[in-house]
Amino acid sequence: GESVGLHLPTLSVQEGDNSIINCAYSNSASDYFIWYKQESGKGPQFIIDIRSNMDKRQGQRVTVLLNKTVKHLSLQIAATQPGDSAVYFCAENRGLTGGGNKLTFGTGTQLKVEL
Amino acid sequence: NAGVTQTPKFQVLKTGQSMTLQCAQDMNHEYMSWYRQDPGMGLRLIHYSVGAGITDQGEVPNGYNVSRSTTEDFPLRLLSAAPSQTSVYFCASSLRTPRDSYSGANVLTFGAGSRLTVL
Repeated sequence: GESVGLHLPTLSVQEGDNSIINCAYSNSASDYFIWYKQESGKGPQFIIDIRSNMDKRQGQRVTVLLNKTVKHLSLQIAATQPGDSAVYFCAENRGLTGGGNKLTFGTGTQLKVEL
Repeated sequence: NAGVTQTPKFQVLKTGQSMTLQCAQDMNHEYMSWYRQDPGMGLRLIHYSVGAGITDQGEVPNGYNVSRSTTEDFPLRLLSAAPSQTSVYFCASSLRTPRDSYSGANVLTFGAGSRLTVL
């Protein structure tokens, strides 16, 4: 079935290094993607979003890349800090054909920052 | 603004009991939704609402009811609790629906979660 998934369940990086979290999606009609960060014991928080008419969007220390050809999304975190340790989720809106008033979330990647 | 408020934070039920998880937002958000989060399965949509008086099913609606009588409130009712409903539940809202193209208006704001255990 259609799904939004993540390549790695856990990612460990050294403090100061760049982190790359990947996400694959299978619905070609998906037109909007969001990354969320969830710290332990809290609800998810918005990080950055991107629409399907873009292939890159930058925020503060974060960049999202979208490759529609291979249905792949990535979140890059520059100079990873201990406070970045969390679970990261990608979510997609599948457009009008997919019941567009819903966001479908991936299973999440645990990012661990090592000092 | 308090944002999205969920109550209770923790609840233990016996199989067959009913209960209501409350969700309230004070941001005049049009869109509200309920997700459940289980280990290794991410967030799954239970029900959602695009405005007062309008609700629709998500991925896993069975065993749950919702209503949206006001813009602010979106309670989730468990009719007859089952151990399979043990989970962490999140309410989330956004100014507009996920389909809306207005920048930023469809970003979900989540509550802190309600941990439910069904024995």
